Amino acid sequence: EAGVAQSPRYKIIEKRQSVAFWCNPISGHATLYWYQQILGQGPKLLIQFQNNGVVDDSQLPKDRFSAERLKGVDSTLKIQPAKLEDSAVYLCASSLASWDRTGNTIYFGEGSWLTVV
Amino acid sequence: RKEVEQDPGPFNVPEGATVAFNCTYSNSASQSFFWYRQDCRKEPKLLMSVYSSGNEDGRFTAQLNRASQYISLLIRDSKLSDSATYLCVVADNYGQNFVFGPGTRLSVLP
Repeated sequence: EAGVAQSPRYKIIEKRQSVAFWCNPISGHATLYWYQQILGQGPKLLIQFQNNGVVDDSQLPKDRFSAERLKGVDSTLKIQPAKLEDSAVYLCASSLASWDRTGNTIYFGEGSWLTVV
Repeated sequence: RKEVEQDPGPFNVPEGATVAFNCTYSNSASQSFFWYRQDCRKEPKLLMSVYSSGNEDGRFTAQLNRASQYISLLIRDSKLSDSATYLCVVADNYGQNFVFGPGTRLSVLP
């Protein structure tokens, strides 16, 4: 089974520039997450989609971050304009939508490493 | 108070040692609990789910105390390959709200 795919793996941009990350979840996973992980910290949820609807975006800095999942499959996360403190790994993850007997869990892509200089 | 808190670490232990990690969570409605492992510059990967009765997977044992809102992970006979950051994860009844702790870093030394 193919895992969560993300691109690009690495990106270096100057502050105030824009960047976009792409994610394709595991086939059949209705729930898609974007997490931000700063070095030395645990992943922090930015936004959660259920199919193409937003479930939780309370921690997304909406003045500069945006995300969409128009067809309920793949998703893009955009940052515009970038700040130095946005340097982090952006992890996309997916999970099943419904609870099953063995429990639902979350699977991550390899992440997109962003450095803002 | 943070939703999920963990031992600050790092833990530096010799090979063969037993090491225990602790985690507390603030949301009493949480229903699902996990330990994830994250290697340096890699994505987090599921290590094991944590069940109310406690569960064991080889050298790894997880315990849950709902009354105290406390989760633990015990690693016996530590191997060099166990060196990683261990993340405590808590989710709601629908498995849809996964909250990660800050992680505890383990270094197993030869």
